[in-house]
Amino acid sequence: DGGITQSPKYLFRKEGQNVTLSCEQNLNHDAMYWYRQDPGQGLRLIYYSQIVNDFQKGDIAEGYSVSREKKESFPLTVTSAQKNPTAFYLCASRDAGSYTFGSGTRLTVV
Amino acid sequence: DQQVKQNSPSLSVQEGRISILNCDYTNSMFDYFLWYKKYPAEGPTFLISISSIKDKNEDGRFTVFLNKSAKHLSLHIVPSQPGDSAVYFCAASGYGGATNKLIFGTGTLLAVQP
Repeated sequence: DGGITQSPKYLFRKEGQNVTLSCEQNLNHDAMYWYRQDPGQGLRLIYYSQIVNDFQKGDIAEGYSVSREKKESFPLTVTSAQKNPTAFYLCASRDAGSYTFGSGTRLTVV
Repeated sequence: DQQVKQNSPSLSVQEGRISILNCDYTNSMFDYFLWYKKYPAEGPTFLISISSIKDKNEDGRFTVFLNKSAKHLSLHIVPSQPGDSAVYFCAASGYGGATNKLIFGTGTLLAVQP
C-alpha cells in the first residue's frame, strides 16, 4: 500500500539538542511538505519541496532545516534555535490537487 | 493574518442530525478547497474537496458548498454519526500560485452525541 511513513511517533528532546524527524513516501509524489500543529491553531507550513534537491521556507521556518536528496524522503531537523519545538509535526505529499498526510510525530522537549 | 478562518472552535450535534461546519477565506486567488478530518495524535485524512468552478460537491453523507461571492464554504454531514467526532480542518489552495501549498484554518472540533 502506498502512503507516507513518519517516524518516530513520539520523540523526546533535551533542550539544546537537534533532532531529525523522518518522512518517507512511496507515492511517487514530487511535492512534500512539513506542517506543525499547536493546540488551538491550524496547521502551519514549515518547509516544502516541489522537487528533489529543492526546497523553500514556509511560514514558520526559523529553527528548522530540511533536505530533499531523494524523491521519497524529506527529513526535518528541529534545531536548538527553535525556541518552542514541542508540537505535533505532520508531513504531507501532493499529487495534483490531492494531498496525503502521514500519521505525525509528537515532539516533546524535556 | 489568517487567510482561512474557522470561527467556531467547537460544535456539538445529536446523532442523526445535520452537522454544519463553516469556513471563511480572504484571498480571492484561492481556487481549490478541501476538508480534512483529524483524530487526536493522527494525521489529517482527506474528506472532500471542491473547485472554484463549482458551488457544490457531494460524496455520500458529506456535502461541501462554496459561495465565492461571500468567500465562504461549508461542510454538511447528514446524518451525523458518533464516529464523525473529530477535528475538521478547512484548507485552501491556489493552482495559479507557484507553490500550491495548502493554507489551513484553525479547525472545528465536532462532537456527535449518541
